Amino acid sequence: DTGVSQDPRHKITKRGQNVTFRCDPISEHNRLYWYRQTLGQGPEFLTYFQNEAQLEKSRLLSDRFSAERPKGSFSTLEIQRTEQGDSAMYLCASSLEYGQEYFGPGTRLTVT
Amino acid sequence: QQQVKQSPQSLIVQKGGISIINCAYENTAFDYFPWYQQFPGKGPALLIAIRPDVSEKKEGRFTISFNKSAKQFSLHIMDSQPGDSATYFCAATLQGAQKLVFGQGTRLTINP
Repeated sequence: DTGVSQDPRHKITKRGQNVTFRCDPISEHNRLYWYRQTLGQGPEFLTYFQNEAQLEKSRLLSDRFSAERPKGSFSTLEIQRTEQGDSAMYLCASSLEYGQEYFGPGTRLTVT
Repeated sequence: QQQVKQSPQSLIVQKGGISIINCAYENTAFDYFPWYQQFPGKGPALLIAIRPDVSEKKEGRFTISFNKSAKQFSLHIMDSQPGDSATYFCAATLQGAQKLVFGQGTRLTINP
């Protein structure tokens, strides 16, 4: 399978715990994005990488959120001190050109 | 000005009928308008996209109609099939924006 992969697919955590998600983009794609989707809503942009550089962050990305893309390959999204409002589907996407994002299956986070 | 408004929220169509989903935008700088299809438990998948220099684009049973003066675009699904039952999102972006702005989604059900 040469699509975008994400791990884990589901994560249940208690409020206050830290969680980390991984995304493996399509290998030749230099652009990588993180989006968040809540039930019944469209995805909302969180952050964007071009190669290893994080070029844009949404104001939705509070200080508790951090993302990395070492060596311009896979990416990780960490949420510290999780809150119930962080419960959502976290989607990773990659692309070669703007607007043509290919999404992974997402990581469903539930904070109890 | 960054919003994309999508309607209807849900739509039920008989098999073989035409499904029509509408979107409106405010930012005239947007220059790329993709549509995504999402099945439960999956990430959004790019379906078809259009640039504002054309008024219509057709790919198989899927057609985008674009009205630049009205700042509206729509997705038409001809000969709708039960396998088309999914949530559809319109989106918009512009070169340099590094992100997609999504509509709220339309849950489409095709009755057999």
